[in-house]
Amino acid sequence: NAGVMQNPRHLVRRRGQEARLRCSPMKGHSHVYWYRQLPEEGLKFMVYLQKENIIDESGMPKERFSAEFPKEGPSILRIQQVVRGDSAAYFCASSPPGTQQETQYFGPGTRLLVL
Amino acid sequence: AQTVTQSQPEMSVQEAETVTLSCTYDTSENNYYLFWYKQPPSRQMILVIRQEAYKQQNATENRFSVNFQKAAKSFSLKISDSQLGDTAMYFCAFMNTGTASKLTFGTGTRLQVTL
Repeated sequence: NAGVMQNPRHLVRRRGQEARLRCSPMKGHSHVYWYRQLPEEGLKFMVYLQKENIIDESGMPKERFSAEFPKEGPSILRIQQVVRGDSAAYFCASSPPGTQQETQYFGPGTRLLVL
Repeated sequence: AQTVTQSQPEMSVQEAETVTLSCTYDTSENNYYLFWYKQPPSRQMILVIRQEAYKQQNATENRFSVNFQKAAKSFSLKISDSQLGDTAMYFCAFMNTGTASKLTFGTGTRLQVTL
């Protein structure tokens, strides 16, 4: 059973460009979470999605950031018009439905660098 | 809002020795989960151990065990027989069972295992 997959692993963008980060959850997992880790800090929750639904986006910045988890395909975290402060590691996690939902398994992260 | 505090930014331990990492949290909820995650230099987030608040028995996973003191809101991690591969950042995390399943992380403790 492959783990949580994220791509790209590293992404470089210039200010004003768009960044698209992809996450494929573990097989059988229907819950996806996105977290951001700024340098030398802990992870901060951004958004929690289930298939075709945003369940909790309380950690998402109000502008430029969006996330989706379509019926088919990976979850996408999209950052429009990136700024240098968006430089961070973005982690995706997934969890199964049912009684083990509370255990989240993380992907390797995408390191975004904004020049 | 829940908060998680890790008061030890850095710790060092000799190989084969035992080390304890501290974590305290603040919540008004009665049911919740606590986790320790490890982030080695590869920066992958790896689940080390989890604890359900309703269980009095402390969780153990091989060389890793916790001391869960619910009344004191304390959740320390003990690593026995430390190995060089234990060198990593360790994050304590909290999840409330009553709301959407987001993790709240502490700021982490950097553990260095030395020869």
